[in-house]
Amino acid sequence: AQTVTQSQPEMSVQEAETVTLSCTYDTSESDYYLFWYKQPPSRQMILVIRQEAYKQQNATENRFSVNFQKAAKSFSLKISDSQLGDAAMYFCAYRKYNNNDMRFGAGTRLTVKP
Amino acid sequence: DAGVTQSPTHLIKTRGQQVTLRCSPKSGHDTVSWYQQALGQGPQFIFQYYEEEERQRGNFPDRFSGHQFPNYSSELNVNALLLGDSALYLCASSLQGAPLGELFFGEGSRLTVL
Repeated sequence: AQTVTQSQPEMSVQEAETVTLSCTYDTSESDYYLFWYKQPPSRQMILVIRQEAYKQQNATENRFSVNFQKAAKSFSLKISDSQLGDAAMYFCAYRKYNNNDMRFGAGTRLTVKP
Repeated sequence: DAGVTQSPTHLIKTRGQQVTLRCSPKSGHDTVSWYQQALGQGPQFIFQYYEEEERQRGNFPDRFSGHQFPNYSSELNVNALLLGDSALYLCASSLQGAPLGELFFGEGSRLTVL
């Protein structure tokens, strides 16, 4: 079974600084997707960034980037120039290609200090 | 462009009762997935509906059932409610066959079982 582990229940960052959230996953598959979702207090899960496993290049979306290490089954999220609006729960998620079951980690609560 | 909408936003039930939660997918989407998110945890996959049929199911008992209508909207039904069913129930929509595997989430229905 595929599992996703987020080892940091809580993280804190100073506004304008950089923070990295960790995620590891376990799978025997070669084709899959990885995601980072953000869940603010409004509860709605919002996609932050995605990575297709077959792509070696790390995904980047503005201030958000990932470090995808396929052999190590690691998928960390780096947030640069942190903003107050980045404060939220962040979930790492895995989805096997052509499978409807998206697996989520337990989440990391990010606090941004002004 | 309307996103994923869910109703009701909050509800309280007692043990043994039945509940129905509703979801309208994002415009243009034809697939609906349901997730259960217990407090302090990541979402867990319940099932997915496409073409009015349940296509895949997670590790949830038969007390959890669903339906998809011709307009792609969906319902989640939970019978014989237990205290442990208290959670945020998230609906996610997608387009079958879309290459990127992304799910779009609603804000969820918070169910409290007393």
